[in-house]
Amino acid sequence: DAGVIQSPRHEVTEMGQEVTLRCKPISGHDYLFWYRQTMMRGLELLIYFNNNVPIDDSGMPEDRFSAKMPNASFSTLKIQPSEPRDSAVYFCASSRRGKAFFGQGTRLTVV
Amino acid sequence: DQQVKQNSPSLSVQEGRISILNCDYTNSMFDYFLWYKKYPAEGPTFLISISSIKDKNEDGRFTVFLNKSAKHLSLHIVPSQPGDSAVYFCAASDSNYQLIWGAGTKLIIKP
Repeated sequence: DAGVIQSPRHEVTEMGQEVTLRCKPISGHDYLFWYRQTMMRGLELLIYFNNNVPIDDSGMPEDRFSAKMPNASFSTLKIQPSEPRDSAVYFCASSRRGKAFFGQGTRLTVV
Repeated sequence: DQQVKQNSPSLSVQEGRISILNCDYTNSMFDYFLWYKKYPAEGPTFLISISSIKDKNEDGRFTVFLNKSAKHLSLHIVPSQPGDSAVYFCAASDSNYQLIWGAGTKLIIKP
């Protein structure tokens, strides 16, 4: 298995633009998590899905953030409009029964 | 309210000695605990886990100890090697399989 695949690896965008981060989980995993890592706040859970259904989105910082999982093999995290304080590394992870596997992350820079 | 705490932001250990990383939790419903290792610019990778029915799990140089009465777990690395220098995250989950993360401890192995 190729593991969790995230794209793009790096994204630089201007403030106010829409940003879409993509994730392909490991086949057969029924949980998908979106995390954000910053120096100030460490690793934060934004939202997670179980069997493509959003279970807990209490970590999503604002309405500017949205996530979807249209099928078991794909998820997106969208920020619209983006702001400089959204700059961080965004990780996607998938799991089956507890042990999560992470993608390489997307480093987002909003200027 | 932090349910999983890693109180040491960093730890410096001499190569060849034992590294002990600590983690405390508050939720007695947690029944599965994991340690992840993270290098810069990479996603966290799974290291070792322990179920609440056990008090010790060993995998090579890595041993995790669980003290349920104290709600405390620790990761021992013996002997420590330069490649062990990384950020170590403790995580806990309950029957819902959602992972709750500690803030991480940066381990520095000195030659």
